[in-house]
Amino acid sequence: TQMTQSPSSVSASVGDRVSITCRASHDVGGRLAWYQQKPGKAPSLLIYGASLLHLGVPSRFSGSGSGTDFTLTITGLQPEDFATYFCQQVNDFPPLTFGGGTKVEIK
Amino acid sequence: QLQLLESGPVVVRPSETLSLTCTVSGGSITSNQHYWGWIRQAPGKGLDWIGNIFHGGSTYYNPSLGTRVRISVDTSKNEFSLRLTAVTVADSGVYFCARHWEIAKRRFYLDLWGQGALVTVSS
Repeated sequence: TQMTQSPSSVSASVGDRVSITCRASHDVGGRLAWYQQKPGKAPSLLIYGASLLHLGVPSRFSGSGSGTDFTLTITGLQPEDFATYFCQQVNDFPPLTFGGGTKVEIK
Repeated sequence: QLQLLESGPVVVRPSETLSLTCTVSGGSITSNQHYWGWIRQAPGKGLDWIGNIFHGGSTYYNPSLGTRVRISVDTSKNEFSLRLTAVTVADSGVYFCARHWEIAKRRFYLDLWGQGALVTVSS
């Protein structure tokens, strides 16, 4: 299953609301995760099951969607949120597959 | 607090074998809720899942890597390892080890990652 993210990059300011889209080439149900990766660091799990926040993840992050279309929303962007975000499907395995990433940059 | 740490050669020659080990500390690798695996990332690129292993030895691999990949586990040392044979420059990148949380049969989320190890394939 191919995963396509859009946009590839977005410029935003602190306090903004940012939405990132992930589209699957086949129905993956609700079996989708979102990860955050900061430069030079490993990714970290933000959301699993399309909408469930992983332990310790701030509530400004939210996920929605099912089937083939998913959205990650950051409401009230904070300085530490400038990073690259990846979606990942867990329905069609192996392999696990990721989207190409969306870089959230400072405007 | 459980941590993962990758180790291994930084440079590998083309056609040779890439070998990396991930040491798990602060917890046991024999959890029945988790597999343990590898993901790589070419410079400036996305994430490419390689494979994973259960402490009992069962494995899943990315079909795109064919027979080049093998993952093994040593529960006595609380570590697991990656071997990738016949490497090319396309195999260069950062290799991450990660804990795979099996939320349901064959459904994995990657809930804990190592810091990553940069491997360059070069003569």
